[in-house]
Amino acid sequence: EVQLLESGGGLGQPGGSLRLSCAASGFTFHNYAMTWVRQAPGKGLEWVSLISAGGESTYYADSVKGRFTISRDNSKSVLFLQMNSLTADDTAVYYCARREVAFYLDYWGQGTLVPVSS
Amino acid sequence: DIQMTQSPSSLSASVGDSVTITCRASQGIGNYLAWFRQKPGKAPESLIYAATSLLSGVPSKFSGSGSGTDYTLTISSLQPEDFATYYCQQYKSYPYTFGRGTKLESK
Repeated sequence: EVQLLESGGGLGQPGGSLRLSCAASGFTFHNYAMTWVRQAPGKGLEWVSLISAGGESTYYADSVKGRFTISRDNSKSVLFLQMNSLTADDTAVYYCARREVAFYLDYWGQGTLVPVSS
Repeated sequence: DIQMTQSPSSLSASVGDSVTITCRASQGIGNYLAWFRQKPGKAPESLIYAATSLLSGVPSKFSGSGSGTDYTLTISSLQPEDFATYYCQQYKSYPYTFGRGTKLESK
């Protein structure tokens, strides 16, 4: 059974940093690209970032480019999102999701909440 | 960036009804279109990919259609668990973009 479990959420300070993790199990992690999607309170879904299966290629939404870094450790089946220079606009539930070989998202984690406030 | 315009933003229906949600892309996306359901307080669930294909385990009461820039999601025989918010998403190009969602409410 595919499972994705996010962690690392919690109160972030404006201008501060947080690192999210997504532990994957139930599939061969290094065969799949992975993505982060976020959802601000009461709002819709916003794609944040994607990393290729081997980690060579990364993509970002303009809203986080230069502040967030996606990475992965295929030896441990873990996906990361390093978030720097946090602002209130980054307040959201952050979901990790698997991208199927045919490019669509198929499995999602349960999400981790990141409130950014002083 | 490709903009996804989803309509309606909200919809009221009754158990047993059928409903249709539409999604229009700002440019052709070649059927790289997915649909998701999100129940309150829960993570999104993937329903349809490639505009028309159901993910494994998704009941056949969900169907997708469309091509080019215009796509639809139809849900037949609504059940209580179907009252949720639905999103479309294009994965033709980066940045992936979502529609703003359609909240399906019980009448």
